[in-house]
Formats: sequence, structure tokens, C-alpha cells
Amino acid sequence: AQKITQTQPGMFVQEKEAVTLDCTYDTSDQSYGLFWYKQPSSGEMIFLIYQGSYDEQNATEGRYSLNFQKARKSANLVISASQLGDSAMYFCAMRGTFSGGYNKLIFGAGTRLAVHP
Amino acid sequence: DGGITQSPKYLFRKEGQNVTLSCEQNLNHDAMYWYRQDPGQGLRLIYYSQIVNDFQKGDIAEGYSVSREKKESFPLTVTSAQKNPTAFYLCASSIGSVEAFFGQGTRLTVV
Repeated sequence: AQKITQTQPGMFVQEKEAVTLDCTYDTSDQSYGLFWYKQPSSGEMIFLIYQGSYDEQNATEGRYSLNFQKARKSANLVISASQLGDSAMYFCAMRGTFSGGYNKLIFGAGTRLAVHP
Repeated sequence: DGGITQSPKYLFRKEGQNVTLSCEQNLNHDAMYWYRQDPGQGLRLIYYSQIVNDFQKGDIAEGYSVSREKKESFPLTVTSAQKNPTAFYLCASSIGSVEAFFGQGTRLTVV
């Protein structure tokens, strides 16, 4: 069964420091995609970064980078130079081909990040 | 501007009442999804649709129903059979394998 696991319910980081949010996944698909979303207290889901299973290089988007280790089935999010506005819930998600050939997006339980001044 | 619009933002339901949450997108996306989020938890898939007039049950479809008569619209009905409907509901759409775009969400409360 496809599954996303985020083992850190909460993380604290000092402003301007880097932080890594963990994500491991389980799938038997050869082709899949991995995503990270940010959810501020207002509730909307903000797309941060995407990594395809066949991408050889780690994805980067500004201060966000995805540390993709395919053999270990991990897709950790690294936020460099944390800012107070980074305080939010962060969700790891995976897209694959599920029953009946349909694509689905499944999410982990999330990690709450608090950035301290 | 292209995007996904969910309405209403807040919704109150009486016991035994059916309510419908609206989701409209003008992104020309084929796939649309409904998720439920309980406080402090992740998103759980209720229903998804890849094309018009076709939809599939997600992990927690019991007590919910959907329709997909138009590409742009994917309304979710929370029926009286859903025993614990108080939650935050998010609609999303996507095309191909790129990221899903989300609406602002509807917060449903049973009164």
C-alpha cells in the first residue's frame, strides 16, 4: 500500500537557521511524484516543491530544497535561512498510480514548524 | 486570475441535514479532489474525479456524495449519514503529474 510517513509532529528552529523536515514514503510504483505543501494557520495549502521519481537531481525552489534519497525512500524538505513567516504546518505528499489506473495524491500527517526570533 | 474557489468559507449544519460544499475551478484541470482535515491532522481523501461524469471513492467516502457534471465543478454533499462531519474541507485540482492547486477551504460545523 502507498503511504507517507512524517515522524516529527513538531519542530523548533531559530530564525536564520536551516531546518530539515523528514518524510519517508512507501510505494511499489516505478513512476511517482513527491510534493511538499505549507499550510499556514489560515488553512490554505501552498505548494512548495516537487520531485519526480526519475529526477536525478534534488529539486530546489528558492530557500526550499528536497533531499531525495530514492533507495531509502525518503524525501526530506530542507528550509534554509528560516524566517518567522515559515511557521506553519508542512505536509509531504505523493502522487502515484493507484487502483484502476487512477492518479491519487496522498498526504502524511504533517509537521508543525515553529520559527523563533 | 485562474484558481479554485470554494464556498462558503464557513458552514453550519444541523443534525440530520444534508449540506453541499461548492468547488469551482477555471484552470482547465481534468482531475479534482475533496479532502477532509481534522484538527492537528493530515488530509484524508474523500472522493476524486479524473474526468467529467466519473469519480472514485477515496479512503473515507462513507456519508459523502459528489457529482462531476462539468469539468469546472465538483460539489461535495455531506449527508446525514456522516456521523461526525465537523472538519475542514479542502478541494483541489490538478493536470497530469504536476502539483495540485487547492482552494481556501470550507470549515463545516455541526450545531
